[in-house]
Amino acid sequence: ETGVTQTPRHLVMGMTNKKSLKCEQHLGHNAMYWYKQSAKKPLELMFVYNFKEQTENNSVPSRFSPECPNSSHLFLHLHTLQPEDSALYLCASSQEVRPLGLFFGEGSRLTVL
Amino acid sequence: QQQVKQSPQSLIVQKGGISIINCAYENTAFDYFPWYQQFPGKGPALLIAIRPDVSEKKEGRFTISFNKSAKQFSLHIMDSQPGDSATYFCAAADSNSGYALNFGKGTSLLVTP
Repeated sequence: ETGVTQTPRHLVMGMTNKKSLKCEQHLGHNAMYWYKQSAKKPLELMFVYNFKEQTENNSVPSRFSPECPNSSHLFLHLHTLQPEDSALYLCASSQEVRPLGLFFGEGSRLTVL
Repeated sequence: QQQVKQSPQSLIVQKGGISIINCAYENTAFDYFPWYQQFPGKGPALLIAIRPDVSEKKEGRFTISFNKSAKQFSLHIMDSQPGDSATYFCAAADSNSGYALNFGKGTSLLVTP
């Protein structure tokens, strides 16, 4: 495995379900990010982790709960989501917590019914 | 408030033509301006980036032109090929005081044979 890997690639869930998105980076980077990509909107930064410590929570609703057990793995736990949360969720990593050299995964396409 | 404005939203160019995508920003603290390329079903990938100390950067068929006084920058794709058909995002960041990339809304480019 190389780069940034995200699973699952597609997820359909009801509003009362609990699910998790997983991200793993094989680049030896120290910083990891969650971005939300919605149609016709700019990519939105959700969370930033540096060496497992959360350094940014960009006013994200509490129904999204991130977890970073180590600098190679990042999770996004989802519960009681709304249909407007349907989007492509992108994980990214970088060598340090700077906007330079950001590597993205292929994303997890989430549909909330 | 959208930090980076990108145009056009979509673009159709014939094979061999020049594709031009424009972006504008307001924050004079921005000092890093990357372009990302995203193919369907894939995550964004860094294509080329520029710092404001130069007015132009070229990598193969891709060129960034930067106008600091106008706070504008653009991507030129020379000799456009069908394989260049993708969505292109410009972004801007203050690399010294933050880690957030401010993205434009994207331009969907179609290069026809």
